[in-house]
Amino acid sequence: GAVVSQHPSWVICKSGTSVKIECRSLDFQATTMFWYRQFPKQSLMLMATSNEGSKATYEQGVEKDKFLINHASLTLSTLTVTSAHPEDSSFYICSASAGRNTDTQYFGPGTRLTVL
Amino acid sequence: DQQVKQNSPSLSVQEGRISILNCDYTNSMFDYFLWYKKYPAEGPTFLISISSIKDKNEDGRFTVFLNKSAKHLSLHIVPSQPGDSAVYFCAASSGNTPLVFGKGTRLSVIA
Repeated sequence: GAVVSQHPSWVICKSGTSVKIECRSLDFQATTMFWYRQFPKQSLMLMATSNEGSKATYEQGVEKDKFLINHASLTLSTLTVTSAHPEDSSFYICSASAGRNTDTQYFGPGTRLTVL
Repeated sequence: DQQVKQNSPSLSVQEGRISILNCDYTNSMFDYFLWYKKYPAEGPTFLISISSIKDKNEDGRFTVFLNKSAKHLSLHIVPSQPGDSAVYFCAASSGNTPLVFGKGTRLSVIA
């Protein structure tokens, strides 16, 4: 149980376009979802925390107008990278937790974004 | 199929003793392994890593051991301190791929 999926698994886009990444909890209701950006080799940066039905809470330094997060249902959160640039190329990983215990997080498989 | 498994959801250890957190993986292509520590209401923070060319990496109180033949790695914390109480995630990657995470082990260090 407790499976989190992401779609697409990889995407290539032109600079200036917008890309939407979906994160779904397949067999549980995720009251909280997290979006991370994975930097090479080790660093995992929390970008934002989203609770179902409310606005996402962004970490310092993350542009909320550039990285739009929507958590419209208990099983789906989306991250839209608007006006993508090559420096946005990265892996984006989501995780989801059920209930208030956000320590129990289930990670998605990641989405590789390449901006040309 | 889970590629990275942390079979113990929780672990309790007395302060001053050794904490051993275990992680198993199935994908023989994984060549880089990491441990993350997570406090409540915060994102995971990187703790220590090991490349598949090594079998041990030490950083202060934290040591990670890798047994490639058994596809097993472990994180040793000694001596354990109450501030080490957190959830620990094991992660693995192969080349330029997303990290694959285990489900985490909650460590409680009892004073």
